[in-house]
Amino acid sequence: EIVLTQSPGTLSLSPGERATLSCRASQTINSNYLAWYQHKPGQAPRLLIYDTSRRRTGIPDRFSGSGSGTDFTLTISRLEPEDFAVYYCQQYGGSPVQSFGQGTKLEI
Amino acid sequence: QVHLHESGPGLVRPSETLSLTCTVSGGSINNFYWTWIRQPPGERLEWIGYIHGNGATNYNSSLASRITLSLDTSKNQISLSLRSVTAADTALYFCAKGGWSMDYWGQGTLVTVSS
Repeated sequence: EIVLTQSPGTLSLSPGERATLSCRASQTINSNYLAWYQHKPGQAPRLLIYDTSRRRTGIPDRFSGSGSGTDFTLTISRLEPEDFAVYYCQQYGGSPVQSFGQGTKLEI
Repeated sequence: QVHLHESGPGLVRPSETLSLTCTVSGGSINNFYWTWIRQPPGERLEWIGYIHGNGATNYNSSLASRITLSLDTSKNQISLSLRSVTAADTALYFCAKGGWSMDYWGQGTLVTVSS
């Protein structure tokens, strides 16, 4: 099973700043099958990015994903107040078991 | 807009079977993959498995001996059955649309395993 490690565990920033979230895999993720989700307490998780860099329809372009192999990044170019949440990466290229990172909490 | 809602008992006794239902509105379950994920308190999300609208399944090998995913197309529902539960099965359980990246999720339902 591929283990995903996200860093930092908590990121403290202010609206308007740039956020860079990291997700590192214990082994190469096939075909860069990695996604990013945003989760706020009591709400359904929200898919932001899939296949490493494809932005889901309706997701603002301040969210972008990049990376390959074992190192992946979610960048939020200019934080809005509604962006403060927990972010998870997920790999689905390590058949047959998918896995998630432990999350990065983005706080004000 | 697809909407998913998980439901089931909030408390299950050890050694019994946990049964959850995911009701889908805003679209048919027939032609898509549907995934169950859980998050134990303080831990990371764990992929449980998925089922396609045609009934094909893929389970997490660590849970495969205890789980069954099924469909009720007449009710547009996906069900999860987890047998012989222990305290380690206490978690927030989510259902989601998609077999790989998942584009719609429910809010989750908390299940506690305790006597």
